[in-house]
Amino acid sequence: EPEVTQTPSHQVTQMGQEVILRCVPISNHLYFYWYRQILGQKVEFLVSFYNNEISEKSEIFDDQFSVERPDGSNFTLKIRSTKLEDSAMYFCASSVYGTGEAFFGQGTRLTVV
Amino acid sequence: GENVEQHPSTLSVQEGDSAVIKCTYSDSASNYFPWYKQELGKRPQLIIDIRSNVGEKKDQRIAVTLNKTAKHFSLHITETQPEDSAVYFCAASIGTSYGKLTFGQGTILTVHP
Repeated sequence: EPEVTQTPSHQVTQMGQEVILRCVPISNHLYFYWYRQILGQKVEFLVSFYNNEISEKSEIFDDQFSVERPDGSNFTLKIRSTKLEDSAMYFCASSVYGTGEAFFGQGTRLTVV
Repeated sequence: GENVEQHPSTLSVQEGDSAVIKCTYSDSASNYFPWYKQELGKRPQLIIDIRSNVGEKKDQRIAVTLNKTAKHFSLHITETQPEDSAVYFCAASIGTSYGKLTFGQGTILTVHP
């Protein structure tokens, strides 16, 4: 069964450093998402991406965040200058139609120290 | 924007009992309601979903009911087993929002053998 894959599984970074989280969505999916989950809290929407542009973003997704689909398979989330409060599990997800089932990756645990 | 409230936050049952988790949503434009199961340290996985044109959906021991008038939906698990122990998240999506999911706070279900 196809899966969304994310790398790395765990990333530790110094405050103020840039990080790039990588995702390979399921190949025939057209809609891509990033969510985050702070430990013990609910999953929060960050951004959706369709047709090579951001379709919606949350208040969390400020100027420090950016997304890119650099080629036909990868989907990345960049945080330019990490803060302690960016520490969370980041999930990538994808869906075929944007109105149905979203498949989640296994997550990248980001720890900012 | 959409807001999803989920109750209870924790639920403890004996093996074989039924478990019910309830969610309410705020935006009447929401038309897709998935339920995700998340085991410790793993990705959220879709277990059942329902669309607004349906009142109930069943899949073996799992069922979801939707009351559009009251804007609430519920997950029902019958004959619970220890492997059902996990965090369960409800979510809601508006058809025009490119698949953005708004999640509830989660319910920690513990099934005691």
